[in-house]
Amino acid sequence: ILNVEQSPQSLHVQEGDSTNFTCSFPSSNFYALHWYRWETAKSPEALFVMTLNGDEKKKGRISATLNTKEGYSYLYIKGSQPEDSATYLCASGAGYSTLTFGKGTMLLVSP
Amino acid sequence: EAQVTQNPRYLITVTGKKLTVTCSQNMNHEYMSWYRQDPGLGLRQIYYSMNVEVTDKGDVPEGYKVSRKEKRNFPLILESPSPNQTSLYFCASSLNSGNTIYFGEGSWLTVV
Repeated sequence: ILNVEQSPQSLHVQEGDSTNFTCSFPSSNFYALHWYRWETAKSPEALFVMTLNGDEKKKGRISATLNTKEGYSYLYIKGSQPEDSATYLCASGAGYSTLTFGKGTMLLVSP
Repeated sequence: EAQVTQNPRYLITVTGKKLTVTCSQNMNHEYMSWYRQDPGLGLRQIYYSMNVEVTDKGDVPEGYKVSRKEKRNFPLILESPSPNQTSLYFCASSLNSGNTIYFGEGSWLTVV
């Protein structure tokens, strides 16, 4: 079983703060790194899929970077808003067939 | 509209009574999978399928069966449910594991 670690486990910030989370994964046999946003009572929603070392992706105030050589990815949220409150999941696939999810980082943004 | 549909969304059943959770996708995706979500454990893969008639075990396959007779459907079968299978289940599909995964809305299953 692939070991995908996310930190911190939870985070509480104020509206307007910028924040970032980390996803660590085994760098050997890397295939793809996914980030998902999961709100309570909804299904996980895709944010980014990255495959190349050095990849950087951006969607509005959210961006992500990927380092496959050292096995980590960062997710950044600039100017957090209460609607950003959710659990952020990363997942790594070692090869074509399977994807392993981390336990997630729970973000709470207070007004 | 692109979607993954699973049924039932909520079910309370008794130990040992066989049940099936259906999953259907309308995106012509080859790759489908089932996950369970338990507190503190994250999403764990139960089974996956890379194409019709091709299925394989994920990380936690014990107590589950699947089939992939058609590209769009990937049912999850619990032959003899037990209380430790009480969980939130997600079906998902994608072109392959390197592409965006689309999740169903989840099925809350309680086994008493």
